[in-house]
Amino acid sequence: EPEVTQTPSHQVTQMGQEVILRCVPISNHLYFYWYRQILGQKVEFLVSFYNNEISEKSEIFDDQFSVERPDGSNFTLKIRSTKLEDSAMYFCASRPSDSYGYTFGSGTRLTVV
Amino acid sequence: QKEVEQNSGPLSVPEGAIASLNCTYSDRGSQSFFWYRQYSGKSPELIMSIYSNGDKEDGRFTAQLNKASQYVSLLIRDSQPSDSATYLCAVNERGSQGNLIFGKGTKLSVKP
Repeated sequence: EPEVTQTPSHQVTQMGQEVILRCVPISNHLYFYWYRQILGQKVEFLVSFYNNEISEKSEIFDDQFSVERPDGSNFTLKIRSTKLEDSAMYFCASRPSDSYGYTFGSGTRLTVV
Repeated sequence: QKEVEQNSGPLSVPEGAIASLNCTYSDRGSQSFFWYRQYSGKSPELIMSIYSNGDKEDGRFTAQLNKASQYVSLLIRDSQPSDSATYLCAVNERGSQGNLIFGKGTKLSVKP
């Protein structure tokens, strides 16, 4: 069964450092998303991406965040200057054009120290 | 503020029983509803989607939607210990490109 692949599975970084989280969506999917889940909290929407541009972003997705699709397969989330409160699981998801049902990747656990 | 509310549980049921999970949502215009299962430390896994009022069955799972009451539920028949997980209700944000608003989840424990 096709899957969304995320790397790394766990990233530890110092406060103020930049991190890049990587995702390979399912190949025939057209809509891509990043969500995050702080430990014990809800899964929260960050950003949606379609046709090589951001469709929508939440209040969480401020200027320190950016997304890119540098080639035909990868989809990245960059956090420019990490803060302690950025520590969370970050999930990439994708879906085809004919369904709102997502497939989530296995996630990247980001720990900012 | 659009909200999706779930009882956080834990909901404990014996093996073989029916587990009933409930969810309410605030945006009356929402059209698409989902149930995800999330094992501890893992990512959400889609188990059911429902778009119309009424029931939708898939194996041991039945999703129920009542748009007038802004209520979605998930029934799990013949519950198994492997069903023990947190069940997330998610609602498509109206007017978005499929952005989902998640509830906090209900933790289900199925006792052998």
